[in-house]
Amino acid sequence: GDSVTQMEGPVTLSEEAFLTINCTYTATGYPSLFWYVQYPGEGLQLLLKATKADDKGSNKGFEATYRKETTSFHLEKGSVQVSDSAVYFCALTLYNFNKFYFGSGTKLNVKP
Amino acid sequence: GAVVSQHPSRVICKSGTSVKIECRSLDFQATTMFWYRQFPKQSLMLMATSNEGSKATYEQGVEKDKFLINHASLTLSTLTVTSAHPEDSSFYICSARASGNNEQFFGPGTRLTVL
Repeated sequence: GDSVTQMEGPVTLSEEAFLTINCTYTATGYPSLFWYVQYPGEGLQLLLKATKADDKGSNKGFEATYRKETTSFHLEKGSVQVSDSAVYFCALTLYNFNKFYFGSGTKLNVKP
Repeated sequence: GAVVSQHPSRVICKSGTSVKIECRSLDFQATTMFWYRQFPKQSLMLMATSNEGSKATYEQGVEKDKFLINHASLTLSTLTVTSAHPEDSSFYICSARASGNNEQFFGPGTRLTVL
């Protein structure tokens, strides 16, 4: 079946540290891949996306590259800030973009 | 960007009562709306997909008679949790998608607590 696997959290980093959150997927077709961010008490916000192999999504200093050969879409940021503290969800969707499959989420804590 | 609102943001109710949650697309027409449920420290699970003017399609394991979904207009979908029980306590999130657009826009969520 279709699924997304994320590294378990929480991830605790100091400000300005490098961030990597791993995400791998299993898909029966050719998926589009997404990273969403959820701040405390809020809904999900789209952070970035990639719709085909080798595409790189980027936003607010975050990047992720669609790697078909390794079925991965790892999230990276070169220098995290305290304001990046949130839960990050990797997700995929297929075909008509109706159904999203979400990973379990990774909580990021950034300390000053 | 497109904005989706939910009301209420937080609700506490007694066991056995029904609760209605509204999801609105504020600046676009949402031909399709989705309802998700998020358990603490877990991911979102799709409950149902609704298209304006037609019956919702429920995911396997979701009781359609317990979670009533109505998508009466292009900007409003409602989720009614009927005869709520403590195990229905959860964070409910809706999302909306415009016709011809692949992106789903998520609402801020509704925290339901059933006592």
